[in-house]
Amino acid sequence: QKEVEQNSGPLSVPEGAIASLNCTYSDRGSQSFFWYRQYSGKSPELIMSIYSNGDKEDGRFTAQLNKASQYVSLLIRDSQPSDSATYLCAVNKNSYNTDKLIFGTGTRLQVFP
Amino acid sequence: DAGITQSPRYKITETGRQVTLMCHQTWSHSYMFWYRQDLGHGLRLIYYSAAADITDKGEVPDGYVVSRSKTENFPLTLESATRSQTSVYFCASSESRARSGGTEAFFGQGTRLTVV
Repeated sequence: QKEVEQNSGPLSVPEGAIASLNCTYSDRGSQSFFWYRQYSGKSPELIMSIYSNGDKEDGRFTAQLNKASQYVSLLIRDSQPSDSATYLCAVNKNSYNTDKLIFGTGTRLQVFP
Repeated sequence: DAGITQSPRYKITETGRQVTLMCHQTWSHSYMFWYRQDLGHGLRLIYYSAAADITDKGEVPDGYVVSRSKTENFPLTLESATRSQTSVYFCASSESRARSGGTEAFFGQGTRLTVV
């Protein structure tokens, strides 16, 4: 079992719709969760972080965390063609009192006009 | 300028050669990470470092060596390059969770390495 799992997609949504991206993780002790966006040929950029159960909203983005289900999601409202990218879920895993950041394989999102 | 920079951006090398990828950050972040990115595998952690002189293996460390004598630098060396090490390599840094409450990592622009 991979430590962080994502559906590779592509996820295709029409412009203006809500895109829903999902991620599960295996380590129950994980405490920090992140969503990165990566455009083709570019480096990942952080778009959301979440540390406690529930929802966290930032503009058109909402991150949702459910630690009991070991599940993290990202909702993108009013999706735009410029949102077309790969979205990477990352989980902080604490090991011997040091942190390492583990990524899923990413979900490719396509927003069509 | 503040940030995290990688060099070189592109590198072609021959199998069996030693090659070093450089990573430099100006934020004085405690943590630094090396990842490789391959189609279908996402970002896989090679090595990471919690502070100067403290390094540890990630998911795919075989064939790689790291060092961290200074907080700001974290070079990655391929001791004897193989074709399977052809990849895009990303360096990242983050502040310690104890100080920032999180481990948001910031990435360099990447190094595209081709082993022929």
